[in-house]
Amino acid sequence: SQKIEQNSEALNIQEGKTATLTCNYTNYSPAYLQWYRQDPGRGPVFLLLIRENEKEKRKERLKVTFDTTLKQSLFHITASQPADSATYLCALRNSGNTPLVFGKGTRLSVIA
Amino acid sequence: GAVVSQHPSWVICKSGTSVKIECRSLDFQATTMFWYRQFPKQSLMLMATSNEGSKATYEQGVEKDKFLINHASLTLSTLTVTSAHPEDSSFYICSARDRTASGSYEQYFGPGTRLTVT
Repeated sequence: SQKIEQNSEALNIQEGKTATLTCNYTNYSPAYLQWYRQDPGRGPVFLLLIRENEKEKRKERLKVTFDTTLKQSLFHITASQPADSATYLCALRNSGNTPLVFGKGTRLSVIA
Repeated sequence: GAVVSQHPSWVICKSGTSVKIECRSLDFQATTMFWYRQFPKQSLMLMATSNEGSKATYEQGVEKDKFLINHASLTLSTLTVTSAHPEDSSFYICSARDRTASGSYEQYFGPGTRLTVT
């Protein structure tokens, strides 16, 4: 069956360092991979989308890579700040009007 | 940007009663809306997909008679939890899809509704 694994449930890093979060998937060939931020008691907020034919995307301090051979995406936050503390969700979907399927998320804590 | 609202943001109800949750796309037309459920420290689990004007498609294990979904217009979908039980207590999140000009099918999420059944 299809599986999405975000292999760290929680990650603590020092302010100013780069946070790297991992998303691995099996039995899936997604057309799109997306990263969301979720704060406690709130809905997910869209951050970045990367397509299957793209290797890397950047947006301000965020960078996402997509390796369809390894079936893995890495999500980086550079110069991390305490305000970046949240749960980050990896989500995949096929092409067309198909729903997003989510991983469990990684809870990031940036310590001042 | 595209905004999705949900109402109410939280609700407490007694076991056996029904609760209706509304999801609206505020500044775009949503041909497709999705309902997710999230238990503490768990992932968002897709419950059902609804297209405007047609019956919802439910995921395996989700009881369609218990979770009634109505998508009567391009900006409104409702989820009614019928005969609620304590195990239905969860965080319910709706999502709406805006088919952009590029056809990328962007999916936007509401703020969620916390349901507590006592």
